[in-house]
Amino acid sequence: QKEVEQNSGPLSVPEGAIASLNCTYSDRGSQSFFWYRQYSGKSPELIMSIYSNGDKEDGRFTAQLNKASQYVSLLIRDSQPSDSATYLCAVNKLNRDDKIIFGKGTRLHILP
Amino acid sequence: EPEVTQTPSHQVTQMGQEVILRCVPISNHLYFYWYRQILGQKVEFLVSFYNNEISEKSEIFDDQFSVERPDGSNFTLKIRSTKLEDSAMYFCASNGGAGETQYFGPGTRLLVL
Repeated sequence: QKEVEQNSGPLSVPEGAIASLNCTYSDRGSQSFFWYRQYSGKSPELIMSIYSNGDKEDGRFTAQLNKASQYVSLLIRDSQPSDSATYLCAVNKLNRDDKIIFGKGTRLHILP
Repeated sequence: EPEVTQTPSHQVTQMGQEVILRCVPISNHLYFYWYRQILGQKVEFLVSFYNNEISEKSEIFDDQFSVERPDGSNFTLKIRSTKLEDSAMYFCASNGGAGETQYFGPGTRLLVL
């Protein structure tokens, strides 16, 4: 079983619409959850972090966490062409090593 | 805003050669990491480093790899004898505490011929 699973996409969303990205994880010990955005050839850039169940909003972005279902999502409202990128879901367990486990990412394409 | 920096941005080397990738983490951070991303694949953890020693290393991080913090600012990844399959983007990251956001550098694209 893969540790962090995401639909690879591409997910095509019209400009101005809501983009919904989903992620599941296998390790119930995971405690920190992150969404990173990665443009082609660039490094991951943090969009949101979430640590407790429920929703967390930051501007046009909302992260949702459901630990019972081992599910994390990211909503992007009023999608812009500049949001076109690969979105990486990532988790860590807060062990001594503190490593982040990444999913393969979902490619998002915003249609102008 | 403080950021992680990495040099060089690109490195081309011959198989069997040694390479050293350099990183300057954010100055007040205590935890340092190397990740790699083979083209078209996911970002993979290589090694974490805290208090001047390796905290954990993945199975990828074999005897050909080593890390060092030679002074108060630099954090290096050395590959002793590069293989073709070492071709990838290598990202350095740092954070200030366990579970905190890891901030990534721009990466070094390594190509082994």
